[in-house]
Amino acid sequence: EVQLVESGGDLVQPGGSLRLSCAASGFTFGGSSMSWVRQAPGKGLEWVSTVSDTGRDTYYADSVKGRFSISRDNSKNTLYLQLNSPRVEDTARYYCMKGGWGSICDHWGQGTLVAVSS
Amino acid sequence: QAVVTQEPSLTVSPGGTVTLTCDSSTGAVTSGHYPYWFQQKPGQAPRTLIYDTINKHSWTPARFSGSLLGGKAALTLSGAQPEDEAEYYCLVFYSGTGVFGGGTKLTVL
Repeated sequence: EVQLVESGGDLVQPGGSLRLSCAASGFTFGGSSMSWVRQAPGKGLEWVSTVSDTGRDTYYADSVKGRFSISRDNSKNTLYLQLNSPRVEDTARYYCMKGGWGSICDHWGQGTLVAVSS
Repeated sequence: QAVVTQEPSLTVSPGGTVTLTCDSSTGAVTSGHYPYWFQQKPGQAPRTLIYDTINKHSWTPARFSGSLLGGKAALTLSGAQPEDEAEYYCLVFYSGTGVFGGGTKLTVL
């Protein structure tokens, strides 16, 4: 059974930093692209970033480019999202999704909550 | 970045048929955009229904189908059930970058 468990969400000040993690199990982690998707309170889904199966290729939404960094550790079956200089508008539930460019999107985690506020 | 547009809300009668669409500001949506459809119910994580325009996952009810219609991606629900009341999102890829539509709130009434 595929499982994706996000962690690391917290209250962070604007301009601070935070790292989210997604622990994956139940499939060959190194064989799939992985993505982060977020949802602000009461709003729709927003694609944030995708990393290829090897970690070589990364893609970002314009809204986070230059501030967020996606990475993965295939030896630990873990996906990461580094949030640098977060803004109030980055407040959202962040979901880990199996798939993205190059791999079929299928499973989702339950999300982790990030609140950006002073 | 491209903008993807969906109907904000639609209503369907139980047992009825409804089609949701997904439009791209850059032109026609094609199979090369690998369009997806997701369902999200209140308080839950999204669930993937359709991938690569027409393909269903093992958990996708047979009453859902995906297609391309008039330059848009489309999700058709045939024989709506009360449990289909939810928010539906499409996702389109532009060479690696993904863009979600704003979502369609589907009411079964």
